Amino acid sequence: QQQVKQSPQSLIVQKGGISIINCAYENTAFDYFPWYQQFPGKGPALLIAIRPDVSEKKEGRFTISFNKSAKQFSLHIMDSQPGDSATYFCAASPDAQKLVFGQGTRLTINP
Amino acid sequence: GAVVSQHPSRVICKSGTSVKIECRSLDFQATTMFWYRQFPKQSLMLMATSNEGSKATYEQGVEKDKFLINHASLTLSTLTVTSAHPEDSSFYICSARSPGARRETQYFGPGTRLLVL
Repeated sequence: QQQVKQSPQSLIVQKGGISIINCAYENTAFDYFPWYQQFPGKGPALLIAIRPDVSEKKEGRFTISFNKSAKQFSLHIMDSQPGDSATYFCAASPDAQKLVFGQGTRLTINP
Repeated sequence: GAVVSQHPSRVICKSGTSVKIECRSLDFQATTMFWYRQFPKQSLMLMATSNEGSKATYEQGVEKDKFLINHASLTLSTLTVTSAHPEDSSFYICSARSPGARRETQYFGPGTRLLVL
């Protein structure tokens, strides 16, 4: 019940396209849902986060869509660029203390 | 912005030796720090949570006697891998939470690559 399931495992998108990564959870106690971007050999960096009281949050080219009833949330990257090529992790926090991470999605943007 | 550093960035050691990894919050005081382990092409798994001045709380399955965590000051936490073995080879990442930030915000360090021969 503490798991966060992320898909797809890998994704290839053409430059300028939309990248979509999905996550699903079971624990209804989760109340904070961040997305992290990680480059090889580096620590993850917070991209954008959402709380369950809103259904969508947008920051620049990054948008989180949140479906509370389905217990799903997704990351959309608009106008994807080669520099966006990285591994993306969704996460969820049940008590504002611990983060439970998804399995990660390796995104490749082809020029 | 909040910056977290780790030292060393990479370490190679012989089996049976102990290795210490430092995690520092450079521009804020971190009351809580977290230690994660990440195997190649896998997700981050929380190992333990450390609060300044108290004992660390370990996740289920993590040996506290093998992974010693010390959080002696508001800017420094250390992870010591004792009697390291090849299966301990991994990417170790710390994160820190600033009391001034939103409660759930964690700032991650750049990670330490440990290779045990």
